[in-house]
Formats: sequence, structure tokens, C-alpha cells
Amino acid sequence: DQQVKQNSPSLSVQEGRISILNCDYTNSMFDYFLWYKKYPAEGPTFLISISSIKDKNEDGRFTVFLNKSAKHLSLHIVPSQPGDSAVYFCAASARWDNQGGKLIFGQGTELSVKP
Amino acid sequence: DGGITQSPKYLFRKEGQNVTLSCEQNLNHDAMYWYRQDPGQGLRLIYYSQIVNDFQKGDIAEGYSVSREKKESFPLTVTSAQKNPTAFYLCASGQGGSYEQYFGPGTRLTVT
Repeated sequence: DQQVKQNSPSLSVQEGRISILNCDYTNSMFDYFLWYKKYPAEGPTFLISISSIKDKNEDGRFTVFLNKSAKHLSLHIVPSQPGDSAVYFCAASARWDNQGGKLIFGQGTELSVKP
Repeated sequence: DGGITQSPKYLFRKEGQNVTLSCEQNLNHDAMYWYRQDPGQGLRLIYYSQIVNDFQKGDIAEGYSVSREKKESFPLTVTSAQKNPTAFYLCASGQGGSYEQYFGPGTRLTVT
């Protein structure tokens, strides 16, 4: 049972435009959400996160939106740059003291930003 | 220079052999995690450890074993009981109580 889903395996965007990556989850116990960026044959790097008490978190060109009623989050990258081309994973976690910080990952979306 | 190291980068083994993957961190993190990634799939949790001398099974622990004798080290052994061991293995660490995990560069294991 896939608790975190990224239904778009790939996304292609023109440089300078907005990239929107989507993620859906099923477990209402999740209270913290993260986005990671991954290049081939490398480990993921942490990008941005959001707590369930917020609906938006912004860091430079990256903004994460959380819609708890829809169990949906999205990552907006604006403006998109060719260096943003990578696989993006969303991840979710429930209470740390209960779950030990376990992250449940989506399948990933491969973003390609074309010059 | 703090970080997580995994060695080796590439590892080749014959079927039926056990193999141990190394993971070391100097970030002074309490928690450490092992994931595997397969093509087209997300990262799946194998084992995790919140403190020294303690660890718990993740979602796909069968055929794997770990130890946590030191805070800095969390080696993963892929045993011959693991049916599909060929994968990209990622180690991560995190501060106790924090959700952010920091990943090593990964080890690609190929078993033939």
C-alpha cells in the first residue's frame, strides 16, 4: 500500500517558467513533509520541508504548499533553471517519538528544465 | 568537514555470498537509517537505529542485518537470504527529534 504517491514520473519545463511537482498521501497521521532532490548515482539532498501546522513554506525559488484536507502537497520552483533538472522525491513522517523519524518516500518525479 | 560516507561506491558479489556495506557519519547524529532504491521506485526503509545498541526493522528488512555498536557507524549486511539484492543502497542520519535526514552518496551493489 503506497502511502505517499507521486503520480507523474516525469515533468518537462522551459527555463524561466514555473515547475509544479505534486505529491499525495493517504495516512492522516503524517505531520511533517519533506522534499528531496536527487541526481543519478548520488544520495538525495534535502530541499525544503513543511509541518502540518502550516500550509505554505518558502525558501528562495522553492515553495511547498500543503492542503491537509485533500492530503496533497506540491513543490513550486520559480523560475526554473537547467540546474534544477533532477529527480524530486516527496517524503512524509509521523510523530518522531513514535516513529523514530522514519520517512515514507514517494516514487519520485524526474524534472527536466530545458534551456 | 562533517558528512556521511559510504564505501565502496560500487560493489560486485556472487550470488550466495554475504556482503557488508559501510556507513560512517561525523555529524554527531543519534539516528541512522538504511534505504534501498530500485529503478522507478522511491526509497524503501530497510533498518533504522535511534540510539547506539538499538535498531528496528523497516519495511523491507528480510534478508538484511545491521549493528549499531558505535554512534558513528551503522553497517548493513546483505545476506544470501535476500532474494533481489542488486540495488542502490543509501545510508542516512538525523538528529534525534528532527525529521530532516542527510544522505550519504550511496553504494551500488550488483549480485550475479
